[in-house]
Amino acid sequence: KNEVEQSPQNLTAQEGEFITINCSYSVGISALHWLQQHPGGGIVSLFMLSSGKKKHGRLIATINIQEKHSSLHITASHPRDSAVYICAVPGNQFYFGTGTSLTVIP
Amino acid sequence: NAGVMQNPRHLVRRRGQEARLRCSPMKGHSHVYWYRQLPEEGLKFMVYLQKENIIDESGMPKERFSAEFPKEGPSILRIQQVVRGDSAAYFCASSPILGGSRLGEQFFGPGTRLTVL
Repeated sequence: KNEVEQSPQNLTAQEGEFITINCSYSVGISALHWLQQHPGGGIVSLFMLSSGKKKHGRLIATINIQEKHSSLHITASHPRDSAVYICAVPGNQFYFGTGTSLTVIP
Repeated sequence: NAGVMQNPRHLVRRRGQEARLRCSPMKGHSHVYWYRQLPEEGLKFMVYLQKENIIDESGMPKERFSAEFPKEGPSILRIQQVVRGDSAAYFCASSPILGGSRLGEQFFGPGTRLTVL
């Protein structure tokens, strides 16, 4: 069993839709990271959060430490949001989810 | 303030050759992490270094792979006698000093794509 599980693996949405990506983890953590990997391969850190909710533009990340679950939401999705979104948790090492591949269709 | 820099961006090697991947962390960052992303797979942790010290190399293959982060200069990930299975994207990330914690935000480099022929 992976330490970090993401769902869905693939997601296709129409432009403007509200999108949710989920992450569940089994290791004990005090913070969780959401990363974005673009088709060119570059990786950007979107959020690091340890409780509650964080918002950056159209992106919202929430975490429930007790339930070991986090969600990444994208409001008013746009084709430029198309990327792979990766959940990562630090333990003895960094554990990564396999990613959610998002495609937003115009 | 330049971001994390990696070079080369693309590297082609023949089986049996050596590959050297370089990572220059962001200014002021003294923690470096190396990750590998095999084709169609997720990121996997390889090694965590601070200046002149390997803190955690639990993700490194036991043979042929080594990493260093000298007092001066970039961090180097070295792969000896490369095999086709080493073909992957290798990402470096850095983070600032946070009391020695590795829980801080990490800033990723653009990656080096290694192809072994």
